[in-house]
Amino acid sequence: KNQVEQSPQSLIILEGKNCTLQCNYTVSPFSNLRWYKQDTGRGPVSLTIMTFSENTKSNGRYTATLDADTKQSSLHITASQLSDSASYICVVSAYGGNNDMRFGAGTRLTVKP
Amino acid sequence: EAGVTQFPSHSVIEKGQTVTLRCDPISGHDNLYWYRRVMGKEIKFLLHFVKESKQDESGMPNNRFLAERTGGTYSTLKVQPAELEDSGVYFCASSPDPQAPYGYTFGSGTRLTVV
Repeated sequence: KNQVEQSPQSLIILEGKNCTLQCNYTVSPFSNLRWYKQDTGRGPVSLTIMTFSENTKSNGRYTATLDADTKQSSLHITASQLSDSASYICVVSAYGGNNDMRFGAGTRLTVKP
Repeated sequence: EAGVTQFPSHSVIEKGQTVTLRCDPISGHDNLYWYRRVMGKEIKFLLHFVKESKQDESGMPNNRFLAERTGGTYSTLKVQPAELEDSGVYFCASSPDPQAPYGYTFGSGTRLTVV
């Protein structure tokens, strides 16, 4: 079982709508959590990074939250645009260096006009 | 600045053949990582170079995989002989230090298909 579980697996929304993606993890001891956006045929691009003491981080229309007690994170996208169509990957690092990063399988978001 | 460059972008080879993937990191980034995503699965770590030295190769699946980074610049990942289960997307990433605040810069990946 993967130590980072994401839901939903895929999501289709209309342009202009908001959506929230979920990430649950069991990685321990926790170091940081990152959300990446991966466009088709491209490599992942970092959106946000949060450490244990941070519970929210924004990057434009993207807002990530973290509850380290329940080991849950969410990525909220506001006023979606067609260009938001991509896979969103949750990555959790354990202490011991970044080689201990655990990737979720991603949520495939499709924004339709 | 130029990003992380990987080539080829796609490779289709027959089982038993050899393939070499190349990654050019961002200039000056000492840390270089290889990852792999098998279809339907999550991205998984393969190995980590610091300059020309292998810092961690615990993710390498077996001895058919050989990674090198001569001179601490670009890196190659050779698969010999390739098997069907080696199919997937191979990503390279680089960072100036392992604790880079926004993580690494990834390349666009090489999609390897073994038939």
